[in-house]
Amino acid sequence: IAGITQAPTSQILAAGRRMTLRCTQDMRHNAMYWYRQDLGLGLRLIHYSNTAGTTGKGEVPDGYSVSRANTDDFPLTLASAVPSQTSVYFCASSKVAGTGETQYFGPGTRLLVL
Amino acid sequence: AQSVTQPDIHITVSEGASLELRCNYSYGATPYLFWYVQSPGQGLQLLLKYFSGDTLVQGIKGFEAEFKRSQSSFNLRKPSVHWSDAAEYFCAVLPDNMLTFGGGTRLMVKP
Repeated sequence: IAGITQAPTSQILAAGRRMTLRCTQDMRHNAMYWYRQDLGLGLRLIHYSNTAGTTGKGEVPDGYSVSRANTDDFPLTLASAVPSQTSVYFCASSKVAGTGETQYFGPGTRLLVL
Repeated sequence: AQSVTQPDIHITVSEGASLELRCNYSYGATPYLFWYVQSPGQGLQLLLKYFSGDTLVQGIKGFEAEFKRSQSSFNLRKPSVHWSDAAEYFCAVLPDNMLTFGGGTRLMVKP
């Protein structure tokens, strides 16, 4: 069982380019999340999805979009990357949302925007 | 809005020594509380969590945490640190749908 996989592992991206970070889970979890991790700030929630077909905004959603066409996949898109989006991005999932269920994290994608 | 504070950005302890990592939260009610560990270059792994009941919670790898409502704290402890415990530790609260993390404490272990 792989759990959560993220791709790519790392990426260098020119400012203004479009980029999609991929996330796939095989645990049949209903809820999925995207976080960015920046030094000294911990992890901050970008977007979430409580179930397939629904999405919501987290603490820092600007410049990012997500979709949840099915249970397993939750891609994060940067429509026009900016240097402030340089970060480590983590995808997570939980069985259900909002009940204290444990969130399980992927290995992360390291993104550098120049 | 809820917030989580980890006052210590870095902590260095000697192998075999005891450890306490501090976490304070700000929220109107008692949220769900978590401690995660992140080894270098890895994702986050759950150490333990508190929902209700006994305020002393046991986790994996010999860690425990104590919830103190009066102090709005959820400090992580380990009686004897191993070199493999060197990592970054995050406290988090889940009052509703959004898991909110503290800034993290980086633990270094001296031989």
